[in-house]
Amino acid sequence: GAGVSQSPSNKVTEKGKDVELRCDPISGHTALYWYRQSLGQGLEFLIYFQGNSAPDKSGLPSDRFSAERTGGSVSTLTIQRTQQEDSAVYLCASSLEQIYGYTFGSGTRLTVV
Amino acid sequence: DQQVKQNSPSLSVQEGRISILNCDYTNSMFDYFLWYKKYPAEGPTFLISISSIKDKNEDGRFTVFLNKSAKHLSLHIVPSQPGDSAVYFCAASALISGTYKYIFGTGTRLKVLA
Repeated sequence: GAGVSQSPSNKVTEKGKDVELRCDPISGHTALYWYRQSLGQGLEFLIYFQGNSAPDKSGLPSDRFSAERTGGSVSTLTIQRTQQEDSAVYLCASSLEQIYGYTFGSGTRLTVV
Repeated sequence: DQQVKQNSPSLSVQEGRISILNCDYTNSMFDYFLWYKKYPAEGPTFLISISSIKDKNEDGRFTVFLNKSAKHLSLHIVPSQPGDSAVYFCAASALISGTYKYIFGTGTRLKVLA
């Protein structure tokens, strides 16, 4: 597609449930990033993919968070046993090469109740 | 430790006047800086960037200034228009351990009053 697509756009889940967030990057973009924005916070880096591998996972806040990317394209971010502090907007971005600026998706707003 | 700081959470400017958004950084390894604009319910969109070898980059109504000695950059919008009302994030990047890391500020909400 023309842009970075994320689904779902909104997700409300009960505390303790698992969620999966999906990102479809721009076709041909080798670099893919996950960020999250909590209320009143800046954009917090979570993980970076180059192709299917993740050379930088340093931003994942706990082992409840994991992400994968398949076929050098679609990525899923999984949060297990969600907690209320996981509530945030999760943004995916892709770029042609790592050095360039990103194109962001519209984000998934996750609310844990 | 906030390496990229936008100390003004909000700014109001009259239409037609200049908007100046500021950003400070602490890591001298940052060598590329970007500004993003974000409307509600949308992802951030790239606005303008500047490399550390320059001190000014201009694109239409938008100009970014970089003062490396002060570790400070600013975004000037002139003339400001109501459609410019959005949250503006500055970002800085550096090659750290073989990976380009982009660090974002917390954003400044600009409101342009008609």
